[in-house]
Amino acid sequence: DAKTTQPPSMDCAEGRAANLPCNHSTISGNEYVYWYRQIHSQGPQYIIHGLKNNETNEMASLIITEDRKSSTLILPHATLRDTAVYYCIVRSLRGTGNQFYFGTGTSLTVIP
Amino acid sequence: NAGVMQNPRHLVRRRGQEARLRCSPMKGHSHVYWYRQLPEEGLKFMVYLQKENIIDESGMPKERFSAEFPKEGPSILRIQQVVRGDSAAYFCASSPRSGQGNEQYFGPGTRLTVT
Repeated sequence: DAKTTQPPSMDCAEGRAANLPCNHSTISGNEYVYWYRQIHSQGPQYIIHGLKNNETNEMASLIITEDRKSSTLILPHATLRDTAVYYCIVRSLRGTGNQFYFGTGTSLTVIP
Repeated sequence: NAGVMQNPRHLVRRRGQEARLRCSPMKGHSHVYWYRQLPEEGLKFMVYLQKENIIDESGMPKERFSAEFPKEGPSILRIQQVVRGDSAAYFCASSPRSGQGNEQYFGPGTRLTVT
């Protein structure tokens, strides 16, 4: 039921920006885009979320296209500790609308 | 502010036994969610609870699995008569409010192994 498409894996050089793309072409008008990451087998860590506007916090930036059919998570200066699986999630409005549907994500490897 | 707490972190059960997984949400959070992650797969939603109420259990297997979030104490995910296919990581998340625009914060998970 995941409504997003992400590349299965990406590499990024340490210190460079990591740009992780996500397609969500069937997103509805009031569905938010969330990004989480999972390091090894730890619990998923919240990164950022947005609806229409670009968002930035201390961890990352989220760029959402004007038609909202895709977005990009940007880690401005990737470190080795950013190696993780990154999940782009569109929160479903089915039922109570509180489920997160995790797909297979993008496995990001930061290379020294 | 302590994060979401889960215990035990690792649980080993023989087939047919019961497994009880506990989740204490973040302080001030009254919404709890349970997810299951099978090996090499993404997380799958199981159930959403508020205090004393099950709001959405659309992801819960129909048999052997139950969840509760009592007025006092942690949320409990209970698996009766465990089978090998129940071996997985079970994650709990909490949020202060429900609905769109509200992030969920995850605990470290309980890794259940059924032998």
